Amino acid sequence: SQQGEEDPQALSIQEGENATMNCSYKTSINNLQWYRQNSGRGLVHLILIRSNEREKHSGRLRVTLDTSKKSSSLLITASRAADTASYFCATEELRGSTLGRLYFGRGTQLTVWP
Amino acid sequence: EAQVTQNPRYLITVTGKKLTVTCSQNMNHEYMSWYRQDPGLGLRQIYYSMNVEVTDKGDVPEGYKVSRKEKRNFPLILESPSPNQTSLYFCASSLRGQLWFGPGTRLTVT
Repeated sequence: SQQGEEDPQALSIQEGENATMNCSYKTSINNLQWYRQNSGRGLVHLILIRSNEREKHSGRLRVTLDTSKKSSSLLITASRAADTASYFCATEELRGSTLGRLYFGRGTQLTVWP
Repeated sequence: EAQVTQNPRYLITVTGKKLTVTCSQNMNHEYMSWYRQDPGLGLRQIYYSMNVEVTDKGDVPEGYKVSRKEKRNFPLILESPSPNQTSLYFCASSLRGQLWFGPGTRLTVT
């Protein structure tokens, strides 16, 4: 299975601190994406990084991708209580027959305390 | 407003009673998909559709059917629901690989 695996499963920090979540995967990918889910709600796309990119920024989010190690990290800087959510990585396999299919990990539950 | 809608949002039903969960998107996306989310298992894909009249199985298709007669709609059909299909279901559509998710349907089969 291509399913990504997030690490840690749960992370608890204080407001203002940085939060780092990691994702590892097994096969070659076309791109890797990060999504956020508030409890019981639909997932929301945060950022997409292509296999030929190494780093990407969006506001307080920074994503890195190391294809040689088959891993990615999501950094949220200066976290806020409103960042409390589950974060999922999703990988799109580098195979034409499965183009467009994303494989999701089990997620990291982030709790930010005021 | 660009969105994916699902109905119903909550459903409690009994084993064997056929049900349909509707999904509609207003973004003219060609790709649509259904996922189920279970504790400890993450999101697993049930079925997906690359375009009208083109559907294919995902990772957990057993017990489900789909159809794609129009670009905007992608209903999920459970012909004979069983308790192991109790789950949180999400419909999603895609543009350039990025998924837009619906709000979810929480299904309980007793």
